[in-house]
Amino acid sequence: GAGVSQSPSNKVTEKGKDVELRCDPISGHTALYWYRQSLGQGLEFLIYFQGNSAPDKSGLPSDRFSAERTGGSVSTLTIQRTQQEDSAVYLCASSLGLVYNEQFFGPGTRLTVL
Amino acid sequence: TQLLEQSPQFLSIQEGENLTVYCNPSSVFSSLQWYRQEPGEGPVLLVTVVTGGEVKKLKRLTFQFGDARKDSSLHITAAQPGDTGLYLCAGRYNNNDMRFGAGTRLTVKP
Repeated sequence: GAGVSQSPSNKVTEKGKDVELRCDPISGHTALYWYRQSLGQGLEFLIYFQGNSAPDKSGLPSDRFSAERTGGSVSTLTIQRTQQEDSAVYLCASSLGLVYNEQFFGPGTRLTVL
Repeated sequence: TQLLEQSPQFLSIQEGENLTVYCNPSSVFSSLQWYRQEPGEGPVLLVTVVTGGEVKKLKRLTFQFGDARKDSSLHITAAQPGDTGLYLCAGRYNNNDMRFGAGTRLTVKP
């Protein structure tokens, strides 16, 4: 398919372990976003990549969270030393990076920290 | 700090009723978008409003952007169970950086 894909779809981990979440954006989309959505809540902005510019990391909740975008395409969100409060759905979106453009979302990764 | 306040947080109505949900940014955004999210899926864009006073219609959905671009509303006429979902507004913040409100969770009962 040509949409945004995320993997894994579900991840269960133990407190203190590191996890990596992957996002494959739509080909040609220069902008990529990561959001966190807790149960029944809206979207919490985490980080934003636009082309080769420095990412906007202002939404990352702590230094345990980091993200990379390699080659302007695939992105990985890493959470180190996971805590129970990290449990949420992590959504990735991509867009053409133009003004007023639409964000296309992946289905998300549901992370459960035991 | 919530950049975009949405109200009500929850709304449960009967099929056939009309409803309005609101999005109130804490500052002026150059554009607003409305998304709908269904369980287990990512949000899907419904509309983008750009101009103050703009009104856009999408079948039974009517979107308004306030004259001063400080508020927006979504009105649904004759709601149907298929309208059930989380309605999110998003504002363009710092170039292409988009921020979302917490959403209105709508349930339409048959």
